[in-house]
Amino acid sequence: GAVVSQHPSWVICKSGTSVKIECRSLDFQATTMFWYRQFPKQSLMLMATSNEGSKATYEQGVEKDKFLINHASLTLSTLTVTSAHPEDSSFYICSPYSGVTGYEQYFGPGTRLTVT
Amino acid sequence: RKEVEQDPGPFNVPEGATVAFNCTYSNSASQSFFWYRQDCRKEPKLLMSVYSSGNEDGRFTAQLNRASQYISLLIRDSKLSDSATYLCVVNTGGGADGLTFGKGTHLIIQP
Repeated sequence: GAVVSQHPSWVICKSGTSVKIECRSLDFQATTMFWYRQFPKQSLMLMATSNEGSKATYEQGVEKDKFLINHASLTLSTLTVTSAHPEDSSFYICSPYSGVTGYEQYFGPGTRLTVT
Repeated sequence: RKEVEQDPGPFNVPEGATVAFNCTYSNSASQSFFWYRQDCRKEPKLLMSVYSSGNEDGRFTAQLNRASQYISLLIRDSKLSDSATYLCVVNTGGGADGLTFGKGTHLIIQP
């Protein structure tokens, strides 16, 4: 399968600070990047979709000014959680898509964010 | 009505048993279907795709019933290592649309 890295693996931050999460697709070019989050005992929920070089498209209920997504290259996308609050504590997972592998998608190892 | 529904379990079964999970989806336009496995505090990993004709991969068998909008996963001769959460996943469009996940079914294999 594809190799996807995500950093940091986990982060604990104080309320009001910003956290940047990096996602890299190491062995293929990701024309599209999906960002998901998963609250405890809940399913993964798609937050936003970004295409390289374009603005991200956010799902309903996800604040675009709070969750800043940058997809400047085909191998790197970042998600910045701005002015984090405890309710933003979640498991954030990226999923790059190359368009070549068909419908199969791979996931980064996830970033567990805890806001205190 | 939720888009992808699964029985959350947990299912506690003895090692060596056969266990089956079901999943229903609401969007009749859904095009592709998968079972993913997720271990605690880890990312989901693809277990198998689900085809209309049914497919088998070792101890795992997946079936799709489009008319009933129903997907199943059967695990035979269960191993301790099969303990995980199994996610039913649906793609309503092409690969660039993202995936819709069920909440998952938690399986615990007991020695």
